[in-house]
Parts: sequence; structure tokens; C-alpha cells
Amino acid sequence: GESVGLHLPTLSVQEGDNSIINCAYSNSASDYFIWYKQESGKGPQFIIDIRSNMDKRQGQRVTVLLNKTVKHLSLQIAATQPGDSAVYFCAENMDLSFQKLVFGTGTRLLVSP
Amino acid sequence: ETGVTQTPRHLVMGMTNKKSLKCEQHLGHNAMYWYKQSAKKPLELMFVYNFKEQTENNSVPSRFSPECPNSSHLFLHLHTLQPEDSALYLCASSPGSEQFFGPGTRLTVL
Repeated sequence: GESVGLHLPTLSVQEGDNSIINCAYSNSASDYFIWYKQESGKGPQFIIDIRSNMDKRQGQRVTVLLNKTVKHLSLQIAATQPGDSAVYFCAENMDLSFQKLVFGTGTRLLVSP
Repeated sequence: ETGVTQTPRHLVMGMTNKKSLKCEQHLGHNAMYWYKQSAKKPLELMFVYNFKEQTENNSVPSRFSPECPNSSHLFLHLHTLQPEDSALYLCASSPGSEQFFGPGTRLTVL
């Protein structure tokens, strides 16, 4: 079946380092991808999205890269801060109505001072 | 804050109880969602409502009953739940693509 998976369950970095969180997807027809951040006790919070007609999109300190050839998505966080510690989910849109997102299991990012 | 609120934030109930979860948004979004989040599992989509009409029921057991009286409110009615239903229940709303999540209700079924 179709699935969205993550390569690493936990990523530990030092404050100030750059972080890279990876995600693999299997539905080649997916046309929209989102990264969410979930802090303890809170719901997922939108970080950045990208459509399949793009390879890269930048936000504030975050960059999402999409490699459709190998069905790979990554989230890069520059100058990681302790406040970035959270679980990060990628999600892919499974249909053109933009209503059915499939989420990965999540990667926990731990940032040490 | 995303503008999506959920009550209660925590709920403990027995298997014979009936309770309801509430979700509210005044963002003008037409689509609302219920998700279940269990430990070490991906978010599971349960129900989707679009313009108050249910457009998705992701094979959810009938002990979960959603209700969408208007585009700003969404309920999840619970009855005769099982301990394995203990999880974080998240509501989300969307104007079309990006989904905005509430803080969730932490449900424990004894």
C-alpha cells in the first residue's frame, strides 16, 4: 500500500548546527507535501509545504527539498535552536481535493544547548 | 495558536460511558477533520467534513460518531469505547490544502 515513512526516529544535534530530517514517500502521484512540527502537549503546527512542480522551497530558517526521482523529501533547519526540539512529521496529499493527507510516523529532534 | 480549539483537553472515561469531544474554529474554513494519534503510530485520519457534509469515513468503528452541525463546529461522540481507543484525538480545519490543528484531547479509556 501507499505509505510515508521516515528514515530516523530520533535526531540529536547541538545548538547552532544545521538539522536535516528525511522522509520517503511511495505514491508517485502525490502532488503536495507538508512538514509539520509537534511540540509536547500541542497539536501539529504547519512549517512549510511544497508542490510537486517544485524541487526546493525556503522559509525562515527552513528549507524543504523534493526529489521526485527517488520519492524523497527533506526538511533542513538552519542554526537549530533548543526551541526547535519537537517531533517533525512529513505528510503527502493523496488526492487532488487536498483533503486526504497521509502522515509519516515522525522524527524526534533533540537540540542540546 | 492555530485558531482551532478543542475541549476538553483531557478526558478519562469508562467503557460504558458516553462522552463527546468538541472542536471549534472561526477561521472560515469549510473542511474539518478528526484524527487519532497513538504512540509510535502515524496520525490516522478518521473523518472528513466538507461544507458540513461527511466526505470521508476511514473505516472507523461505529462507537465513534461524528457530528458537524455547522462549518465552525465538529463533535466526536463516544460510546462503549475500548481501552485501545486511548489516544490523542486531534481536530483540524482547512481552507483547501494546509490543515490547521487544534491542541487535541487526550483520551484515556479505563
